[in-house]
Amino acid sequence: EDKVVQSPLSLVVHEGDTVTLNCSYEVTNFRSLLWYKQEKKAPTFLFMLTSSGIEKKSGRLSSILDKKELSSILNITATQTGDSAIYLCAVEPYSGGGADGLTFGKGTHLIIQP
Amino acid sequence: ETGVTQSPTHLIKTRGQQVTLRCSSQSGHNTVSWYQQALGQGPQFIFQYYREEENGRGNFPPRFSGLQFPNYSSELNVNALELDDSALYLCASSFGGRGEQFFGPGTRLTVL
Repeated sequence: EDKVVQSPLSLVVHEGDTVTLNCSYEVTNFRSLLWYKQEKKAPTFLFMLTSSGIEKKSGRLSSILDKKELSSILNITATQTGDSAIYLCAVEPYSGGGADGLTFGKGTHLIIQP
Repeated sequence: ETGVTQSPTHLIKTRGQQVTLRCSSQSGHNTVSWYQQALGQGPQFIFQYYREEENGRGNFPPRFSGLQFPNYSSELNVNALELDDSALYLCASSFGGRGEQFFGPGTRLTVL
């Protein structure tokens, strides 16, 4: 059974700090790892990392995939109060026939204090 | 470009009742996946619909069923509701069912 573990589960920092969120996974046939930001309801897509794209960056956010260690990190630099959210990590397997869906971790609840 | 929409936003039912949730996929997407998110947990895969057929299913009982229509919109039906079915139900659309999935705002279901 595929498994995703995120750490820490919650984190409180001050505006301007840099944070690193961790995600480790176990999946039978790895296809991709995805990061989402969930503020109220709808998770918003951030990054997708694959064997051919192990590093992504967008503004103050960046993410790296370590296929050897079966893990990924999400970095946020110069944090702002608007970064406060739950950050979800998910893995997508290669499936032989139909879809297996995404397997999510429990998320990291990030709180940015002014 | 129209994003993923879901209806209703909130719903209150009692144990034993049946419920239908609806989802319209993002324009250009042909695949819809449904997820259940309990409080404090990550979303859990229920099933996926592609070409109007169930294309994959997670660890959910048969009382969870669905449909996909020719315009790629989808319904999630839950029969014989139980208290543990109380959750946020998320719909996600994608093209071909692989890679990036884009989520709707969800339906908050409360079972009393």
